[in-house]
Amino acid sequence: EMQLVESGGGLVQPGGSLTLSCSASGFTFSSYGIHWVRQAPGKGLEYVSAISSNGGITYYADSVKGRFTISRDNSKNTLWLQMSSLRDEDTALYYCVGDGFDIWGQGTMVTVSS
Amino acid sequence: QSALTQPPSASGSPGQSVTVSCTGTSSDVGTYNFVSWYQQHPGKAPKLMIYEVSKRPSGVPARFSGSKSGNTASLTVSGLQAEDEADYYCSSYAGNNNYVFGGGTRLTVL
Repeated sequence: EMQLVESGGGLVQPGGSLTLSCSASGFTFSSYGIHWVRQAPGKGLEYVSAISSNGGITYYADSVKGRFTISRDNSKNTLWLQMSSLRDEDTALYYCVGDGFDIWGQGTMVTVSS
Repeated sequence: QSALTQPPSASGSPGQSVTVSCTGTSSDVGTYNFVSWYQQHPGKAPKLMIYEVSKRPSGVPARFSGSKSGNTASLTVSGLQAEDEADYYCSSYAGNNNYVFGGGTRLTVL
């Protein structure tokens, strides 16, 4: 079964940092681009970031550019989202999503609050 | 990048058909045939229902169909069933490795 599992969420103060992880199984991770999509409580989906299969191409939404960094290690079937200078509006459930948007993790919750 | 525009709610009785619209611009929906639709039940992750405007992933019932005209995409659910009650989101490729989502539509089965 193709699966993505996120971890690393938690409570962080405004201005703080947090790193999310996404572990893949059941498919050839190195062949897939991966996206991060977030959903604020009670709100819709927002596209956040993406990385190509070999890590050579990355994308960031304007709302996180300069603050978030996406990376991957295909030998470990793992993807990371390093988040810094966190703001209240970054509070959301963060989903790791496979290319094609057909594989979604269960999400990891990030809460930015003092 | 502005979100795609969806009606906040839609409804229909069991067995009926309902259509949800998703309006973008010539920079996203109007240019690219990479429109997708997702179903999200409360507390669950979104599930891909339609991709590339009208294609259904394996396992998605044929009751779900998608189409596009100009800058507006549509999702039609035919033969509504109770389990179709959920939030539905559209998304579109917007160029330069960017995707944009709609605000979501809550579908109620009366």
